[in-house]
Amino acid sequence: EPEVTQTPSHQVTQMGQEVILRCVPISNHLYFYWYRQILGQKVEFLVSFYNNEISEKSEIFDDQFSVERPDGSNFTLKIRSTKLEDSAMYFCASSEAPGRTEAFFGQGTRLTVV
Amino acid sequence: GIQVEQSPPDLILQEGANSTLRCNFSDSVNNLQWFHQNPWGQLINLFYIPSGTKQNGRLSATTVATERYSLLYISSSQTTDSGVYFCAPPRPNFGNEKLTFGTGTRLTIIP
Repeated sequence: EPEVTQTPSHQVTQMGQEVILRCVPISNHLYFYWYRQILGQKVEFLVSFYNNEISEKSEIFDDQFSVERPDGSNFTLKIRSTKLEDSAMYFCASSEAPGRTEAFFGQGTRLTVV
Repeated sequence: GIQVEQSPPDLILQEGANSTLRCNFSDSVNNLQWFHQNPWGQLINLFYIPSGTKQNGRLSATTVATERYSLLYISSSQTTDSGVYFCAPPRPNFGNEKLTFGTGTRLTIIP
């Protein structure tokens, strides 16, 4: 069964460092998303990406964040200068098309900023 | 944006018991997803249910979009059912571009 894969599963980084979280969405999907979940809290939307551009972003997704689809299979989230409060589980998701289709989530990357 | 409330927030049951988890949302939606977050943090798709009822083994879900709620039923609970259950409708009238997650129900199944 096709699945969304994320790497790494866990990353520890020093405050102020840049991190790149990687995702391989399901191959025939066109819509890509990043969500995050701070420990013990609910899952929050960060950004959606369609047709090689951001289609929507939340207020959390400030200038420290960026997304990219560098090739036909990968989808990345970059945090330029990490803060302690960026520590969270980050989920990548994809869906076949906008509107009335199911989103599938990767297993998550647990980011710890120290 | 749409508000999503889940109840109960916590539920502790003996293995073999049945349970009903509820999800209320503040606006009309054209689909809704249920997820199980396991103890390792993974989000597992359970149901994609715009309306009506779906069943998958011991689990079933019902969405009544006109009354703005969805229910998740778990029968004959097993310890592997433990975890947090989230419902997530999309932004109204925009399809599946952005899901809004509820605060979840934490289910603990005791052997």
